[in-house]
Amino acid sequence: GAGVSQSPSNKVTEKGKDVELRCDPISGHTALYWYRQSLGQGLEFLIYFQGNSAPDKSGLPSDRFSAERTGGSVSTLTIQRTQQEDSAVYLCASSLVDVGGTDTQYFGPGTRLTVL
Amino acid sequence: RKEVEQDPGPFNVPEGATVAFNCTYSNSASQSFFWYRQDCRKEPKLLMSVYSSGNEDGRFTAQLNRASQYISLLIRDSKLSDSATYLCVVTSNAGGTSYGKLTFGQGTILTVHP
Repeated sequence: GAGVSQSPSNKVTEKGKDVELRCDPISGHTALYWYRQSLGQGLEFLIYFQGNSAPDKSGLPSDRFSAERTGGSVSTLTIQRTQQEDSAVYLCASSLVDVGGTDTQYFGPGTRLTVL
Repeated sequence: RKEVEQDPGPFNVPEGATVAFNCTYSNSASQSFFWYRQDCRKEPKLLMSVYSSGNEDGRFTAQLNRASQYISLLIRDSKLSDSATYLCVVTSNAGGTSYGKLTFGQGTILTVHP
């Protein structure tokens, strides 16, 4: 079956522009996560959705970052007024449910964002 | 101190070697433990979950020591295809919620050579 998909796969933008990154989770997965992987920084958690609600936004690095999820499915991560330090691979993951944190999270291929 | 710490390596081993990776975590409330594998410029994929009783999957053995807050991964009879970055991952309930925010170690790079 189809896995998690993300688009675009690569995005190059100029400093100060806004970008939108999209995630299509596995069908039926209620939990959705965004992570960021920067060179030399490892993977860091950004935000978690259960259905359309985001009970944990604690990982968003600044108020320039926002995310939404509609219909319990597709999610969009928006970065406003991009900065060079936003350059990273943005990974989305989904899991079936997430009671107790034991469900396997399946990752998408990521969006590689480069801010010039 | 990072919440999950790993030796970044790199580990360079010949085919057939046995190699062990270690990981420590600082949050004693951590509840679930995993090893993920990440190939170059690819997404992480779950390799195996880690249980206190220890678990084995073919050439891979994972161990968890809750008292020491220590996780290990042993790879026996290394193959060229095992070359990848191995990520130690833990989940902790956040603020009383019952979901699993993954916290990743920096990863350990393994290269298996002929």
